[in-house]
Amino acid sequence: EAQVTQNPRYLITVTGKKLTVTCSQNMNHEYMSWYRQDPGLGLRQIYYSMNVEVTDKGDVPEGYKVSRKEKRNFPLILESPSPNQTSLYFCASNPGPNTEAFFGQGTRLTVV
Amino acid sequence: QKEVEQNSGPLSVPEGAIASLNCTYSDRVSQSFFWYRQYSGKSPELIMSIYSNGDKEDGRFTAQLNKASQYVSLLIRDSQPSDSATYLCADESNDYKLSFGAGTTVTVRA
Repeated sequence: EAQVTQNPRYLITVTGKKLTVTCSQNMNHEYMSWYRQDPGLGLRQIYYSMNVEVTDKGDVPEGYKVSRKEKRNFPLILESPSPNQTSLYFCASNPGPNTEAFFGQGTRLTVV
Repeated sequence: QKEVEQNSGPLSVPEGAIASLNCTYSDRVSQSFFWYRQYSGKSPELIMSIYSNGDKEDGRFTAQLNKASQYVSLLIRDSQPSDSATYLCADESNDYKLSFGAGTTVTVRA
C-alpha cells in the first residue's frame, strides 16, 4: 500500500530533550515536507526537500533540523524542544512540483 | 511572506444545499491551487487541484480560479453529512513551497 508513515504518533517530552520524528514514504517521491498544524493557523511548512541531500527552509524553520540522506526518509529533529513546539506535525510527499501532497498520519507532540 | 486567506467559519449548511468556500492568495506568481479536506483527527487529503483560470468540476465538487483577482473557490453541491470536515486551501508558487490557509470548518446538518 502506498503510504507515508510517521513515528511516533504521540509523544510527550520535556523541554530540552532531543527528539526525532521519523517519516518514510514508499512511493519513490522526489519531494518531502514537514508541516506543523496549530489551531487557527492552519498548516505551516517547516522544511522541505526536493531531492536527496537537498533541503530548504519553509515558513517556520526555527528550532528544527531535517536531513535527506535517502529518498524515502525525511526525519524531523528537535535538538532542544521548547513548549512552543507543542503541535500536531505532518510529513508529506509529492511526486514533483505542482502535484498532490500525500500526508502521513500525523504526530502529536507535547513539550512540557 | 505570502499569505493564503480563507473565509472564516464555521459554515453550517443543510443537507442537499450548496456549500461555498472562498480563498484569496497574495503571491501573484502562484501557479497551482489545491483544496484539501481534513476530517477531525485525520490527515489532509486532496479533493481538487486547479491550475488554469475558470471552472473545474469533479463530481459534486467545483473549483473556480481567477488569477487576476487572486481568488479560488470551492463549491460543494448536494452537500452530505459526510462532507462535514475542515477544508484547506493551498497554493504553490515558483519556489515549490506549498502555503495553506487556516481552513474553513463545514458542518452539514441532516
